[in-house]
Amino acid sequence: GAVVSQHPSWVICKSGTSVKIECRSLDFQATTMFWYRQFPKQSLMLMATSNEGSKATYEQGVEKDKFLINHASLTLSTLTVTSAHPEDSSFYICSARDSGQGSEQYFGPGTRLTVT
Amino acid sequence: GIQVEQSPPDLILQEGANSTLRCNFSDSVNNLQWFHQNPWGQLINLFYIPSGTKQNGRLSATTVATERYSLLYISSSQTTDSGVYFCALGGSQGNLIFGKGTKLSVKP
Repeated sequence: GAVVSQHPSWVICKSGTSVKIECRSLDFQATTMFWYRQFPKQSLMLMATSNEGSKATYEQGVEKDKFLINHASLTLSTLTVTSAHPEDSSFYICSARDSGQGSEQYFGPGTRLTVT
Repeated sequence: GIQVEQSPPDLILQEGANSTLRCNFSDSVNNLQWFHQNPWGQLINLFYIPSGTKQNGRLSATTVATERYSLLYISSSQTTDSGVYFCALGGSQGNLIFGKGTKLSVKP
């Protein structure tokens, strides 16, 4: 149990376009999901907290108009990178916590975004 | 803010050797998790261990919350154990705060 999927696993897009990344909890409900970003050879940094049915909470320095988050159901959160630029190229990973099972978090396989 | 420090940053082992990875943290713990990040980037849950000791096969972990550290033990290491090991502490929003990781290389 406790499986989180992400789609796509990798994407290449041109500068100025938008990319949507989906994060799904497959076998549990998640009131809260989290989006992290990882640059090469670095650790994971929290970008935003996604709450079902309400606005996301963004970390300091993360542009909310650039990284749009929608958590429309208890099993799906989406991250849209708008007007992508090469500096947005990174590894994006989501995590979810089973609403009824305490605070352990489970991570998706990640999405590698390359902006050319 | 909460600090999570991992040591050593890099570790090279011969297959069959044992190792201990350490995680020190600066705040009280409600959630502490150990992960293995494989070469494709997937984070594999190893332990959810805010306190106490757990074992899973060749791996075990201990968290001493009162002294603010956690240890991950790997015994009889295999080449497939290679990768980056992360310790992460629960934050105020329920998120995880990650250490910088320990990069483990197991040589045949």
